[in-house]
Amino acid sequence: AQSVTQLGSHVSVSEGALVLLRCNYSSSVPPYLFWYVQYPNQGLQLLLKYTTGATLVKGINGFEAEFKKSETSFHLTKPSAHMSDAAEYFCAVSSNRDDKIIFGKGTRLHILP
Amino acid sequence: DGGITQSPKYLFRKEGQNVTLSCEQNLNHDAMYWYRQDPGQGLRLIYYSQIVNDFQKGDIAEGYSVSREKKESFPLTVTSAQKNPTAFYLCASNGRDRGAPGELFFGEGSRLTVL
Repeated sequence: AQSVTQLGSHVSVSEGALVLLRCNYSSSVPPYLFWYVQYPNQGLQLLLKYTTGATLVKGINGFEAEFKKSETSFHLTKPSAHMSDAAEYFCAVSSNRDDKIIFGKGTRLHILP
Repeated sequence: DGGITQSPKYLFRKEGQNVTLSCEQNLNHDAMYWYRQDPGQGLRLIYYSQIVNDFQKGDIAEGYSVSREKKESFPLTVTSAQKNPTAFYLCASNGRDRGAPGELFFGEGSRLTVL
């Protein structure tokens, strides 16, 4: 079975500071990993995904994530936070066995002026 | 415009009533999903379907039912057996990208409140 753990249900950073949102996964087969963002009362939007190949993945809005198999992690980073980054972020895992996609509980990112 | 359309956006129901949430997509995706979202719980998978006339239970299928008679449509029925149905429901579809699971496209959600 696959699972995702996101450390920290709420994270606060100052505008201009580094954003780091943590995600660890569990999977018995090679995982596919995703980060999604959700703004209030809306659906989710894909930020980036890892399937195969390069382990450092770049996404939209300046975000990137690195797949570390030895640490079973896929942490999301952004060098400089912007007020518009305030939202809820979800890490998700899937595999090539089927189309089941499992989400973590989410991390709400707060940006301090 | 291609996308996922969920309706209704807001729905109120009395205890003991069944209610059906609509989800339609025009992205020509094979796979469709229903998730339930509660504060602090993230998204929990209710049902998913990889192809027409086939679907699988997710992690919290009890009290819900689905059908997949057409590729474009994946309605969710919240039955009276669902003990705590008040939640935000999200439908999504997924087109495979070179053999790997692709991006999930989400609707705007349906908020169900049981009175």
